[in-house]
Amino acid sequence: EDKVVQSPLSLVVHEGDTVTLNCSYEVTNFRSLLWYKQEKKAPTFLFMLTSSGIEKKSGRLSSILDKKELFSILNITATQTGDSAVYLCVGNYGGSQGNLIFGKGTKLSVKP
Amino acid sequence: DAGITQSPRHKVTETGTPVTLRCHQTENHRYMYWYRQDPGHGLRLIHYSYGVKDTDKGEVSDGYSVSRSKTEDFLLTLESATSSQTSVYFCAISEFYTDTQYFGPGTRLTVL
Repeated sequence: EDKVVQSPLSLVVHEGDTVTLNCSYEVTNFRSLLWYKQEKKAPTFLFMLTSSGIEKKSGRLSSILDKKELFSILNITATQTGDSAVYLCVGNYGGSQGNLIFGKGTKLSVKP
Repeated sequence: DAGITQSPRHKVTETGTPVTLRCHQTENHRYMYWYRQDPGHGLRLIHYSYGVKDTDKGEVSDGYSVSRSKTEDFLLTLESATSSQTSVYFCAISEFYTDTQYFGPGTRLTVL
């Protein structure tokens, strides 16, 4: 069965800390792995990863994929209270019932 | 931000009544999706569309129907709402089947 598992499920840090969010996946016909950020509204797209070992960066956020070990990490450096959100890891595959498998998310809380 | 709107944004209804949610896009994307999001389950695909009048079922399609008569509009109908359909419903769009999906703002539906 295809699945995406995120850890930890929740995390509390203080401003300025660096955090690493983990995602492991088992997805047949794997095409890519996506990261989304969800505050109290719709998920917003962060990264799409298709190749192993190539880091994607956007400001203080970065992510990398390991297709051999079937996992990805999302790093956030110098966290700010505005980073508080649920981060969703999503497997993208060529299945017949739509094409995304969502993890349950990691809830990040950044305290001042 | 992708041009996706959903209406209504909030709705309270009673068990047994029909409900229709609307998703409207201005991006001319071929693929449109309906998801529901519930605590402990993450996002789950209800139905998706790959063109006008072309739709298919997702993971949790029972009790829901959809229609797409125009590229820009994708309707989700609950023929006879039940309390188990209380949820937040998100519409998403993508240009290609294996492409990143962009989400609408969501509709919070409460069935009493």
